[in-house]
Amino acid sequence: SQELEQSPQSLIVQEGKNLTINCTSSKTLYGLYWYKQKYGEGLIFLMMLQKGGEEKSHEKITAKLDEKKQQSSLHITASQPSHAGIYLCGADHAGKSTFGDGTTLTVKP
Amino acid sequence: GAVVSQHPSRVICKSGTSVKIECRSLDFQATTMFWYRQFPKKSLMLMATSNEGSKATYEQGVEKDKFLINHASLTLSTLTVTSAHPEDSSFYICSARVTSGSLNTQYFGPGTRLTVL
Repeated sequence: SQELEQSPQSLIVQEGKNLTINCTSSKTLYGLYWYKQKYGEGLIFLMMLQKGGEEKSHEKITAKLDEKKQQSSLHITASQPSHAGIYLCGADHAGKSTFGDGTTLTVKP
Repeated sequence: GAVVSQHPSRVICKSGTSVKIECRSLDFQATTMFWYRQFPKKSLMLMATSNEGSKATYEQGVEKDKFLINHASLTLSTLTVTSAHPEDSSFYICSARVTSGSLNTQYFGPGTRLTVL
């Protein structure tokens, strides 16, 4: 089965700082998704990456998929308190989705 | 974008009772829906895949007689937790898959927090 490892597990940054979250797969990724979740709420789709070397941006969030398609990184520039939450990477395998354990981001004002 | 709703958002019930959670795709049809369970500070655990018009496919370790899934229409899937016990207390999230060509996108409901007393 597809296994996704996220790092770090939690992150505390000062407002305005940049940060990176990583997601590593044990197998080649054919579709890598990034979601954001606030505690006790559903998941918000952020981005999907499919091609090796692909990079997508949405506002101050940029996600990349490496050329080998086994690692993705999510980068937030000039973090804001609104960026706080749990970031999950997910991937499809055999018609099912698996998720990393999530990275809890706290942004201190 | 596509919207998925869940009802109720929170439910508290007594041990031994059954609870039904609804998952609806509001502006699109979903032949496949998924049910997840999430424990505090943990990731989502897939419980079952719900297919419209056919039996759900359950993940290993998930009791199908305890977690009844019905996907009677292209916009509604229900999860019924039968004879609920305190250990069933959790956050349950559904999602609906939209396939466009080779792209699969999942849209998640807001979740239902179940507390069994």
